[in-house]
Amino acid sequence: DAGVTQSPTHLIKTRGQHVTLRCSPISGHKSVSWYQQVLGQGPQFIFQYYEKEERGRGNFPDRFSARQFPNYSSELNVNALLLGDSALYLCASSLSVSRTGGDQPQHFGDGTRLSIL
Amino acid sequence: GNSVTQMEGPVTLSEEAFLTINCTYTATGYPSLFWYVQYPGEGLQLLLKATKADDKGSNKGFEATYRKETTSFHLEKGSVQVSDSAVYFCALGDDYKLSFGAGTTVTVRA
Repeated sequence: DAGVTQSPTHLIKTRGQHVTLRCSPISGHKSVSWYQQVLGQGPQFIFQYYEKEERGRGNFPDRFSARQFPNYSSELNVNALLLGDSALYLCASSLSVSRTGGDQPQHFGDGTRLSIL
Repeated sequence: GNSVTQMEGPVTLSEEAFLTINCTYTATGYPSLFWYVQYPGEGLQLLLKATKADDKGSNKGFEATYRKETTSFHLEKGSVQVSDSAVYFCALGDDYKLSFGAGTTVTVRA
């Protein structure tokens, strides 16, 4: 079975531009989460979507937005790019959301490496 | 808020050496705990998990025990291989998200 797929794998943008990153979850998974991983650090949570609704949002500015489509795929949009947005953006999917301590295993894609010049 | 503190690296070992990576957490309630591994150029892979106190997660020779009394979830492996070279992340799960530690880079020399 195919894992979580993300596109593109690499992207170079300049400051002020806009970017759209895409994610396809594992078949049957209805929850998609986005994380930002700056070089040398652990991933930071950005969003979680379940059944096309935002279920959680991390401490990121409004320049970051996302949506989930009827087929459960997802897009992450970032406007007015800054140098500090350079990072690996990871998408993770899981079967559902759990309110018992996050024990639904999240399966990660290989990420999109975004470089801002 | 909930957080994870992870032993800083990098860690360099010889093949067949014993590996331990310390992880402590701060949390309200009873979160699930995870170890993820990231190989160069790849995303994160779930290595093991534990969902309640005293649970032991294990996979591929790695083990970690959820210790509520010491708020710890240390990762151990008795005999590492070159193929274990990677970055290891301790993570805490609450409701809808994972909170990760900073990661520990492990290099195993032949």
